[in-house]
Amino acid sequence: SQTIHQWPATLVQPVGSPLSLECTVEGTSNPNLYWYRQAAGRGLQLLFYSVGIGQISSEVPQNLSASRPQDRQFILSSKKLLLSDSGFYLCAQEDRSKTDTQYFGPGTRLTVL
Amino acid sequence: QKEVEQNSGPLSVPEGAIASLNCTYSDRGSQSFFWYRQYSGKSPELIMFIYSNGDKEDGRFTAQLNKASQYVSLLIRDSQPSDSATYLCAVKRNAGNMLTFGGGTRLMVKP
Repeated sequence: SQTIHQWPATLVQPVGSPLSLECTVEGTSNPNLYWYRQAAGRGLQLLFYSVGIGQISSEVPQNLSASRPQDRQFILSSKKLLLSDSGFYLCAQEDRSKTDTQYFGPGTRLTVL
Repeated sequence: QKEVEQNSGPLSVPEGAIASLNCTYSDRGSQSFFWYRQYSGKSPELIMFIYSNGDKEDGRFTAQLNKASQYVSLLIRDSQPSDSATYLCAVKRNAGNMLTFGGGTRLMVKP
């Protein structure tokens, strides 16, 4: 079974500060990994996805970046946060050897003040 | 036109009734269809997936797919207050493609 860890669970940061959110997964090797953002009352917006170590694709140009230094680790970063970066950040895992189904981690709620 | 459309709701049903949630999609090449449930403040959790036309049942949940009409629905029988949540429909063209999510329908089950 898949287990996804995200930390921190909640974060309050000032505008202009850096950001680092971490996602680690268990239970499968070489998964596809995804970062989504969900703004308050809004739908899920795909930010980045990765099919392997060092392989990152960006869906939306913005001040965020992602990295995958290890097979089961996915990191979301920013050098300078904007107010509009506030939201619920979700990491998702997809086991390509099974049903191509995505499972979500518990999420990180980010508030930028 | 949005790629995956859902009525935002709220859809209000009495306890014990059948809740019917609908989703339409624009990409005729879509092959895989998913329903997620999201409680307020929590992350989405997968309820069901369906690939073939027709019905797929899992406990109180039934997913229905009609590719010709480009819609997928989720029926919840014997609705309970604990079913109150936002239900997200997601569609994928094929393996290797991204999931496209609808905006979700908020369901309220009243005791």
